[in-house]
Amino acid sequence: AQTVTQSQPEMSVQEAETVTLSCTYDTSESNYYLFWYKQPPSRQMILVIRQEAYKQQNATENRFSVNFQKAAKSFSLKISDSQLGDTAMYFCAFMNPPGAGSYQLTFGKGTKLSVIP
Amino acid sequence: SQTIHQWPATLVQPVGSPLSLECTVEGTSNPNLYWYRQAAGRGLQLLFYSVGIGQISSEVPQNLSASRPQDRQFILSSKKLLLSDSGFYLCAWSATWGLTEAFFGQGTRLTVV
Repeated sequence: AQTVTQSQPEMSVQEAETVTLSCTYDTSESNYYLFWYKQPPSRQMILVIRQEAYKQQNATENRFSVNFQKAAKSFSLKISDSQLGDTAMYFCAFMNPPGAGSYQLTFGKGTKLSVIP
Repeated sequence: SQTIHQWPATLVQPVGSPLSLECTVEGTSNPNLYWYRQAAGRGLQLLFYSVGIGQISSEVPQNLSASRPQDRQFILSSKKLLLSDSGFYLCAWSATWGLTEAFFGQGTRLTVV
């Protein structure tokens, strides 16, 4: 079974600064999907960014970007120009692609990010 | 567009009472469906997932069960609730084709008293 590890239970960053959240995973698959989800105090899960393992180019979405290191099985999230609205729990998640025999979406334990004014 | 509905939003139930949480998806067919539980300040634990009607995979032994009576309906049940069943329950769906990100319902906060 796949496992996802987020080693930073809590982090804080000053408004307008940059912060990087870490995520590592374990899998024997060569093709898969990786995601970062955000859960604000409302507890609604919101997709932040996604990465297909077969793509070498790191995904970017406005102020959010990832550093995907496939050999190291690492998938970190960088938030630039942090805003107060970025305060939330951030979850790293792993999924096998369709046809891989399992559709499990496995989450890490999360990193609580606080943006300080 | 696709939408997911999960209800109720909050629920307070006595120990030993039954439970039924419902989740429905609109605007898509044959979705993968998931039930997760999130303890306070913790990560998401996958409870069940389903790739089709009547097909349920259970990830952890527990006091809960799941059913999928229709293609876009996923139900989480218990015959007798325990105090340890308290938590925040999330339903999600993903497509069986294309890039399969998961979309989540609003969640149900269950308190067993």
